[in-house]
Amino acid sequence: AQSVAQPEDQVNVAEGNPLTVKCTYSVSGNPYLFWYVQYPNRGLQFLLKYITGDNLVKGSYGFEAEFNKSQTSFHLKKPSALVSDSALYFCAVSLPWANRDDKIIFGKGTRLHILP
Amino acid sequence: SQTIHQWPATLVQPVGSPLSLECTVEGTSNPNLYWYRQAAGRGLQLLFYSVGIGQISSEVPQNLSASRPQDRQFILSSKKLLLSDSGFYLCAWRDAGREQFFGPGTRLTVL
Repeated sequence: AQSVAQPEDQVNVAEGNPLTVKCTYSVSGNPYLFWYVQYPNRGLQFLLKYITGDNLVKGSYGFEAEFNKSQTSFHLKKPSALVSDSALYFCAVSLPWANRDDKIIFGKGTRLHILP
Repeated sequence: SQTIHQWPATLVQPVGSPLSLECTVEGTSNPNLYWYRQAAGRGLQLLFYSVGIGQISSEVPQNLSASRPQDRQFILSSKKLLLSDSGFYLCAWRDAGREQFFGPGTRLTVL
């Protein structure tokens, strides 16, 4: 069964420092990988995705993620954190669109606190 | 461009009352549609998904039900709410091989 793990419930980073939010996955085949961000009382917003190609994916708000097949990881990164980056971040995985009822499996979420 | 709407934004209901939450999508045809529940600002629980009109798959047996009467309309219902039904309900759509797009959510409080 496919699964996603976000090992950290919370990550604290000082403003201006680089940040990393970790994600590992378990899925057979070649996965699609996603990162979403959620601000309080809002829906999830799509940040970036890896489908195929370059292992380093760039997304919205200066975020990027690196796909590492050997380590089955897809960590979210940003070179310089902003206080406004404080939010709940979700990693997600799905199998390629083999049939229409494929689901996206979400991690439990990591709360990112950027300290001024 | 595609947009997704949910209403109401907030809802306070007594235990035992019925529920109807609505989700509509604009700007796309025949999307996959999803209902999630999020408790206490944490993980997402997939409740239902639909690949077409009248086609509903249930992920978690409970007192909730879903219907898709039209291509871009997805409704979450209950005949009698429980306290444990409180949470943040999110609707999402997905098109072929792409990411999911989420609605703004409905905050349900059952008293």
